[in-house]
Amino acid sequence: DAGVIQSPRHEVTEMGQEVTLRCKPISGHNSLFWYRQTMMRGLELLIYFNNNVPIDDSGMPEDRFSAKMPNASFSTLKIQPSEPRDSAVYFCASSFETGFYNEQFFGPGTRLTVL
Amino acid sequence: DAKTTQPPSMDCAEGRAANLPCNHSTISGNEYVYWYRQIHSQGPQYIIHGLKNNETNEMASLIITEDRKSSTLILPHATLRDTAVYYCIVRVAGKTSYDKVIFGPGTSLSVIP
Repeated sequence: DAGVIQSPRHEVTEMGQEVTLRCKPISGHNSLFWYRQTMMRGLELLIYFNNNVPIDDSGMPEDRFSAKMPNASFSTLKIQPSEPRDSAVYFCASSFETGFYNEQFFGPGTRLTVL
Repeated sequence: DAKTTQPPSMDCAEGRAANLPCNHSTISGNEYVYWYRQIHSQGPQYIIHGLKNNETNEMASLIITEDRKSSTLILPHATLRDTAVYYCIVRVAGKTSYDKVIFGPGTSLSVIP
């Protein structure tokens, strides 16, 4: 298994531009998580999907952020318009919620720099 | 807010056991203790979890006190590759209840040659 796949690995953009981050979870997993990591705030959960349905988006910072999961094998996190304070590493993670334990598998992350 | 407290940093000599403590004094009866680690520039990696019994796998051992208010992650023979930030997390496990995973600042472990 290739693990959780994220693209792009690095993104540099200018303030005001739209940014789309992509994630392919591990096949068979039914839960997907988007996290953001910065030096100041650490690792923060942005949104959690279960069976492609958003369950908790309370961590999404503001309306500029949106996330979709059109099917079990793909999710996007979009920032429009982007701002310098959005610069961070964005991680996608997936898990199989079995009712026993919920080990999350993280992708390599996307390092976003907004100039 | 994170439900756990950990020392911000620790050092360990290579080849020695690394003992990473975690305090979770408000843990509920249905909450598990999970440990993850994050090596620089990588995504967090699951290590081990437990409810009330001590657990061991190929990576580490988890010792949970009888009152479950604290636990210790043990890396029996630390190597330089174990240098990472270690996160202790408590959360409910089970598809019938959603419990947000909250990562605190963790413990930055430095393994010294």
